[in-house]
Formats: sequence, C-alpha cells, structure tokens
Amino acid sequence: QVQLVQSGGEVKKPGASVKVSCKASGYTFSSYGISWVRQAPGQGLEWMGWISGYNGNTNYIQKIQGRVTMTTETSTSTAYMELRSLRSDDTAVYYCARSGLVGATYLGVYYFDYWGQGTLVTVSS
Amino acid sequence: DIQMTQSPSAMSASVGDRVTITCRASQAISNYLAWFQQKPGKVPKRLIFASSSLQSGVPSRFSGSASGTEFTLTISSLQPEDFATYYCLQHNNYPHTFGQGTKLEIK
Repeated sequence: QVQLVQSGGEVKKPGASVKVSCKASGYTFSSYGISWVRQAPGQGLEWMGWISGYNGNTNYIQKIQGRVTMTTETSTSTAYMELRSLRSDDTAVYYCARSGLVGATYLGVYYFDYWGQGTLVTVSS
Repeated sequence: DIQMTQSPSAMSASVGDRVTITCRASQAISNYLAWFQQKPGKVPKRLIFASSSLQSGVPSRFSGSASGTEFTLTISSLQPEDFATYYCLQHNNYPHTFGQGTKLEIK
C-alpha cells in the first residue's frame, strides 16, 4: 500500500534551517511528483511547491522562493524540503503529498491522493 | 496566480441537512479541482478529484460539480462525522492554490 512517512517534529530558532523528509513506499517513486503543503496553527492549507520524482524539476511559490529547496533521493524514494532563514511565521505543520503521474499529468486521480502524516516545525527563540 | 474564492467561510447545520460549499476560480482551471476534508489535528483527506469524481471509500452523500469556473461540493444529508473543515484546491496551474476553507459546525 502507498505510504508517505515524514520525519519527526523540529524546534528551531529564528534564522536557522530545517530539512523535512518524506519517505515513499508502495509505488514507483520516480513516476510521480511530490507537493509540499503547510498549515500554520489555526490557519488554512498553503501549497508551497512541487518536485518531480522523475527529473527533480521544481516549482515554488514566490513568497518562499530563495529560502526553500526541494530535492529527491531516488535510491531511497525520499523527498526533502529544506527551509532556511526561518521566521516565527514559518511555524506550521508541513505535509508532503503525492502529486501527479509522469506522462499523465491530465489525470486528476493522481494528485494529492496520499499524504504524509505531517511534521510540526516550531520556530521560536 | 489563480485565486480560489471559497464560500462560506463558516456555517452551522444540522444532521440530515443538505449542505453546499462553493469555490470560484479567478480563471479557467478545466476540471483540475479537488475537495478535501480536514478534522482537527488530522491529515487532509481527499473527497473529490477532477471536480466531480468521488474518491474510493468516500460515502456517496458527497458529490462535486462544476459550472465554468464555479465548483460546488454538496453533502446530501449531513452525518455527525461530517463536521469538519473543507478545502478546495486547484492544480491546473502553478502555483497550485487552496480555497480559504469552510468550517462546518453543528447547529
């Protein structure tokens, strides 16, 4: 069965960096993309960006461009999201979600069908 | 960026009621629209994909429809377990964008 398992919660000081992992199993990792979504406490969902499991292409939202890097390690079927220069408003639960099948991007069934359990990142001095 | 305007932001309803939640896209997004349910402290759960296709395992009281750039999630007869927050998401264009959410509470 498809599973996305994320790394554990982190507490960071302002200005630090955090790297969250998302290990996939139960499907061919390189055939799908991964999106990252975050949710600040009491707030809605915010799509942060996407990475292709096939070729590593990325797309980020402008507000975090320059502070975020999404990568993949195909050998371990793991996606990573690194966020730098952390601020208090980066405090959120971060989710990864399967996002799009290579060669069939028109098929909505393969978008956001599986999610990781979430990783709480707390930024506090 | 495509804006997804979701309404209402909150509502109260009773068990057995028919409920409708709407998302309006600021431009055409074809049928690349999904609906999610989220309960407090839980991972979002996809209910509908491709604007009107029901996710496997989701009760048939949930349905989705589309008319141009307006998308609707309907719950035909509310059950106690349906009280949650609902989000729409467009994934036609980058950046993908969520609606602001609709918190559905018990009347």
